[in-house]
Amino acid sequence: DVKVTQSSRYLVKRTGEKVFLECVQDMDHENMFWYRQDPGLGLRLIYFSYDVKMKEKGDIPEGYSVSREKKERFSLILESASTNQTSMYLCASNSQGTSGRAYEQYFGPGTRLTVT
Amino acid sequence: SQQGEEDPQALSIQEGENATMNCSYKTSINNLQWYRQNSGRGLVHLILIRSNEREKHSGRLRVTLDTSKKSSSLLITASRAADTASYFCATLPALMNRDDKIIFGKGTRLHILP
Repeated sequence: DVKVTQSSRYLVKRTGEKVFLECVQDMDHENMFWYRQDPGLGLRLIYFSYDVKMKEKGDIPEGYSVSREKKERFSLILESASTNQTSMYLCASNSQGTSGRAYEQYFGPGTRLTVT
Repeated sequence: SQQGEEDPQALSIQEGENATMNCSYKTSINNLQWYRQNSGRGLVHLILIRSNEREKHSGRLRVTLDTSKKSSSLLITASRAADTASYFCATLPALMNRDDKIIFGKGTRLHILP
């Protein structure tokens, strides 16, 4: 079974702190994603990566950065946390498959981040 | 860049009844997927239907796809309390771009009443 793990289930940080959210997948997937999920807004893509050291902006990259130094690990960084970044953060991964297209995504359990 | 839109936003039914959720999308797709999310957890992939397929089954799940209407439906038969969750449709666009990625809708919240 594919396993995607996230470093924390719950996290409380203060405004202005630097926050690291880590995600690890064990299926050698090429693609990895970071989403945030807020009530009424659904899943919004922050950043994604289709290879080591590669990153692409999603729909809401402002205030975030990412790092992918190893294939299995994708980190989301909040340089200076703000209260409007309080949210559920979900990591996901998938394979490009033999056709080169991306298919089903596998999600981690999520990190509930509260910024006070 | 939302593509899919689920309907209804929320649904409550009695245990044992069938639950139907719909998804509409705007542009041509390669495939459409349905996911489930239990409260406070990550999403779990349920089923994928390709653009050249019209219907697919998996256990108590039945998915239909109508590409002419750009819509899909998810039917859960003989619902159980454990089916209480949010259900999301997600689409992979037909045209492959460099930023090839799945696009999620906002979800339907399903509540099964005892």
